[in-house]
Amino acid sequence: ETGVTQSPTHLIKTRGQQVTLRCSSQSGHNTVSWYQQALGQGPQFIFQYYREEENGRGNFPPRFSGLQFPNYSSELNVNALELDDSALYLCASSPKQGSGANVLTFGAGSRLTVL
Amino acid sequence: DQQVKQNSPSLSVQEGRISILNCDYTNSMFDYFLWYKKYPAEGPTFLISISSIKDKNEDGRFTVFLNKSAKHLSLHIVPSQPGDSAVYFCAASAYNNNDMRFGAGTRLTVKP
Repeated sequence: ETGVTQSPTHLIKTRGQQVTLRCSSQSGHNTVSWYQQALGQGPQFIFQYYREEENGRGNFPPRFSGLQFPNYSSELNVNALELDDSALYLCASSPKQGSGANVLTFGAGSRLTVL
Repeated sequence: DQQVKQNSPSLSVQEGRISILNCDYTNSMFDYFLWYKKYPAEGPTFLISISSIKDKNEDGRFTVFLNKSAKHLSLHIVPSQPGDSAVYFCAASAYNNNDMRFGAGTRLTVKP
């Protein structure tokens, strides 16, 4: 059983640029959630994807967007990067239903630094 | 709005003693609560959970207690081991889990 994998692990961008982060969900999981974890804070919910559609969104502006693919992998895109976007971005997968539906399996994260 | 709060940023205990990590929440719609553990350079890993119909759930050395009237939960680790040293996050969700809220975390250090 493979876990959640994310790429890249680290990246540096400048203000105004765009970034794409990628995530492969755990085998058997059909739901992917993205979280932003700023330094010293807990993960904050960005959005969730299920059946290739957004299935809930946190308090993040539209320049944060995502995709889910038929194989349940996902991308997080951030446009017009701002300094405050510097954070660890965590991807998590889960089954949509069943006893494990409330438990998220996280990847190791992609650390984004915006200069 | 921070609906899940962990007011202790850090906790240090001696090996073999009990570690108690606390968490408070404000949203009465939350009905499922989880604890995650995070080591450096790794993602959070699920540790233990409890639903709102229970007030205690135990798994080996780990026990979670839920006090719904006080909107408070705690994680007890006994006996604590040096390998338990990590950041612990409390999380909560309503029936629809697509917006799981996390606390800011408590860094536990278990000294040999």
